[in-house]
Amino acid sequence: GESVGLHLPTLSVQEGDNSIINCAYSNSASDYFIWYKQESGKGPQFIIDIRSNMDKRQGQRVTVLLNKTVKHLSLQIAATQPGDSAVYFCAESRTGSNYKLTFGKGTLLTVNP
Amino acid sequence: DGGITQSPKYLFRKEGQNVTLSCEQNLNHDAMYWYRQDPGQGLRLIYYSQIVNDFQKGDIAEGYSVSREKKESFPLTVTSAQKNPTAFYLCASGPGLAGAPYEQYFGPGTRLTVT
Repeated sequence: GESVGLHLPTLSVQEGDNSIINCAYSNSASDYFIWYKQESGKGPQFIIDIRSNMDKRQGQRVTVLLNKTVKHLSLQIAATQPGDSAVYFCAESRTGSNYKLTFGKGTLLTVNP
Repeated sequence: DGGITQSPKYLFRKEGQNVTLSCEQNLNHDAMYWYRQDPGQGLRLIYYSQIVNDFQKGDIAEGYSVSREKKESFPLTVTSAQKNPTAFYLCASGPGLAGAPYEQYFGPGTRLTVT
């Protein structure tokens, strides 16, 4: 069925290292992808998004890579900081879906000092 | 959390009672959304509204109801028909069709516990 999933439910990194969070999607019609960060007990915060006509997009310390061939999305966080510890969700949408977002289950990122 | 307010942060109810969760936004957004989040799961869409006086069912609308009488407000009622109402409820808003239709910004959430 149509789904957005994650390869790893948890990721633990050392402060200062780079983090890579992966996401797989199954619908080849998906044309918009977004990453959210959710800290414990709070609502998700927008990090970065990318459309299917792009392979890469960079923000402040974050990069999203999209590989449409294998239906794979990744979020790279440079120089990970303790404040980056949170659950990260990918979500997808596609034309004709009334712009609804379908969310993955999330990856818990823990940054060790 | 921007200009999206959800109240209260924690809510406790007895089984069999209806309960209404509040969501208000001052971002002048056309679209508003309600999601449910359970432990270890992603967000699931309950209802959404792209314009005042109109709303559509999401993926898990059974046992819930909404209204959109004002642009700023999108209250969610969890009825006694909802079999597993205990969850973290998240409201979001976005520019909708008038702006960037995919963008959604979330409120702080309401944790509902039904016993």
